[in-house]
Amino acid sequence: DAGVIQSPRHEVTEMGQEVTLRCKPISGHDYLFWYRQTMMRGLELLIYFNNNVPIDDSGMPEDRFSAKMPNASFSTLKIQPSEPRDSAVYFCASSFPPTSGVNEQFFGPGTRLTVL
Amino acid sequence: GENVEQHPSTLSVQEGDSAVIKCTYSDSASNYFPWYKQELGKRPQLIIDIRSNVGEKKDQRIAVTLNKTAKHFSLHITETQPEDSAVYFCAASKNFNKFYFGSGTKLNVKP
Repeated sequence: DAGVIQSPRHEVTEMGQEVTLRCKPISGHDYLFWYRQTMMRGLELLIYFNNNVPIDDSGMPEDRFSAKMPNASFSTLKIQPSEPRDSAVYFCASSFPPTSGVNEQFFGPGTRLTVL
Repeated sequence: GENVEQHPSTLSVQEGDSAVIKCTYSDSASNYFPWYKQELGKRPQLIIDIRSNVGEKKDQRIAVTLNKTAKHFSLHITETQPEDSAVYFCAASKNFNKFYFGSGTKLNVKP
C-alpha cells in the first residue's frame, strides 16, 4: 500500500479564494482524521470520520471550514473563503477500528497551505 | 476535554546520553498513550505506544512509562544518536480514536 495520499503537497493562494485539500486513506482503514499543524497551536484535530460518517467536528475552527467523505477512499477539506491565518500544514491520517488492536494513526505527507 | 501538557519544549543532549520527555494528562479515563516522532518536513510517525493496563513498555533504545495515579507518562531514549533529532509528540486518548496531542519537544542530539 502506498500509505495515506494527500494532494496537493503545496498550495499557495490569495485571501478570499476557495481551497480544497484531498486525502486518500489506506485501504481497509475505516477511520479518517484531518489535523492542522502550526507553530503556535501545535497539532490540532479538526474532524474525524468513521465509515465515511463525521463523528466529531468540534475542532473545525469556523464555518469557513467543511469536510466531506463521499466514499471510503476519498475525503476533502475545504476552506471558503481562505484567510492568511489558515496558513498551516494540514495532515490527513487514517487507522483501523479500535477493535482491531492496531491503534496507530498513519499520517499522510501533509499539505502546506499558504494564504497570502 | 482532555488536556495534555508536554515538557520540555526543547532538549539538547550529547550523542550517547539519555533523553527524557514528560507528559501529563487531565482525563483519568484516557487509556491509550502514543508517542510520535516528526522529522523536519516529514509526517508524524508512531514510535511507541502504551495502554493503561501496562506500566512500562520498551522497544530497543526507547521506552515509555505510565503512572496512572499521577496521570503522567514519559518517553525515555537511551544511547541517543544524531538521527534521533526530531520533534516528539505525546498524545492521550480514551477511545483509541480522538488523540489529544502535546505541544511537542524538539530534541537535538549533538554529535
